[in-house]
Amino acid sequence: AQSVTQLDSQVPVFEEAPVELRCNYSSSVSVYLFWYVQYPNQGLQLLLKYLSGSTLVKGINGFEAEFNKSQTSFHLRKPSVHISDTAEYFCAVSEAPGTYKYIFGTGTRLKVLA
Amino acid sequence: SAVISQKPSRDICQRGTSLTIQCQVDSQVTMMFWYRQQPGQSLTLIATANQGSEATYESGFVIDKFPISRPNLTFSTLTVSNMSPEDSSIYLCSVEDNTEAFFGQGTRLTVV
Repeated sequence: AQSVTQLDSQVPVFEEAPVELRCNYSSSVSVYLFWYVQYPNQGLQLLLKYLSGSTLVKGINGFEAEFNKSQTSFHLRKPSVHISDTAEYFCAVSEAPGTYKYIFGTGTRLKVLA
Repeated sequence: SAVISQKPSRDICQRGTSLTIQCQVDSQVTMMFWYRQQPGQSLTLIATANQGSEATYESGFVIDKFPISRPNLTFSTLTVSNMSPEDSSIYLCSVEDNTEAFFGQGTRLTVV
């Protein structure tokens, strides 16, 4: 069975500072990895995904993530955050090739401070 | 990409009643998914809905409590039956297109 762990439930960071949101997964098979963002009172929006190939994945809004197979991690990073990045971020995994079932982490609430 | 519309966006319901949530997609899709997001928690898959067949429910979810309809390739409904305060959650409809999942805005349900 697959599982996703997001160790940090909340991450406060000052505006223009860098941020890293951590995600670790466990799976006995190959996986696809995703990061989604949920703004208040909205649905989820895909930030980026790793399917195969380069382990450094670039997404929207200046975010990027690196797939590390040996550490079973897929940490999300942004070099300089904005107030508008305040949201809930979810890491998710699905079995590769797609079974269409996503397992989500518990989420990390990023709060950007002025 | 897919655009998903969910109705209602929110509702407050009395315990013991039922609420039907509608999900409309702007393109034809084979599978539609229903998730629950309980307060302060992550998303949990309730069931997968295929057109023309019964929905497939995940462990812990049953058809009597969460009946699902899928009359065509662009529409689905989820009913939350005989509601209790524990059913207060956000319910999200989702579809997948080329390994990316798209989500509706969600239905915020409060049971009093």
